[in-house]
Amino acid sequence: AQSVTQLDSQVPVFEEAPVELRCNYSSSVSVYLFWYVQYPNQGLQLLLKYLSGSTLVKGINGFEAEFNKSQTSFHLRKPSVHISDTAEYFCAVSENAGKSTFGDGTTLTVKP
Amino acid sequence: ETGVTQTPRHLVMGMTNKKSLKCEQHLGHNAMYWYKQSAKKPLELMFVYSLEERVENNSVPSRFSPECPNSSHLFLHLHTLQPEDSALYLCASSRTSGRSWGNEQFFGPGTRLTVL
Repeated sequence: AQSVTQLDSQVPVFEEAPVELRCNYSSSVSVYLFWYVQYPNQGLQLLLKYLSGSTLVKGINGFEAEFNKSQTSFHLRKPSVHISDTAEYFCAVSENAGKSTFGDGTTLTVKP
Repeated sequence: ETGVTQTPRHLVMGMTNKKSLKCEQHLGHNAMYWYKQSAKKPLELMFVYSLEERVENNSVPSRFSPECPNSSHLFLHLHTLQPEDSALYLCASSRTSGRSWGNEQFFGPGTRLTVL
């Protein structure tokens, strides 16, 4: 069965610093992978997704993620964060195009 | 109006009340979901509908009763809730094709429910 582990529950970082939010999944079959962001008092919105093809995926707001099949990881990165990036980030996996399973979330706090 | 909308945005109810949460999607999707998001807990999938038929019910107490009258509307009827049911309830929709559920989900802003 598929599962998702977000390795850090909280990530504090200073403004303009780079950030990486880590996500590992457990599956031995074909997967789709997603990162969603949730700003305070809002629902989740899609940042980026990997379905197939290039393992480096670019998303909105300057975020990107790299699919690493051998390490079963899909880490999210941004080279320079802004205060407005403060939010909850969720990794999700869909195994064999089935329903998605979400990770527990990582709280990114960007400090001035 | 576009996307996924939810009403009300905030709801306070007593344990003996009956209320309903409404979700509407304007994206032409054919699958809809209810999630519960509690503080310091993972996102919990409650119900899934595909083409107005319930395809998943994840051991949710009977005090939560979903209804999907058409592919654009989803309701969650609430009665005799408990304080531990206080949470953010999120609705989402997606496009499915055959057995493929791999498309991304589009979420509404949620209803913040407080049970006194």
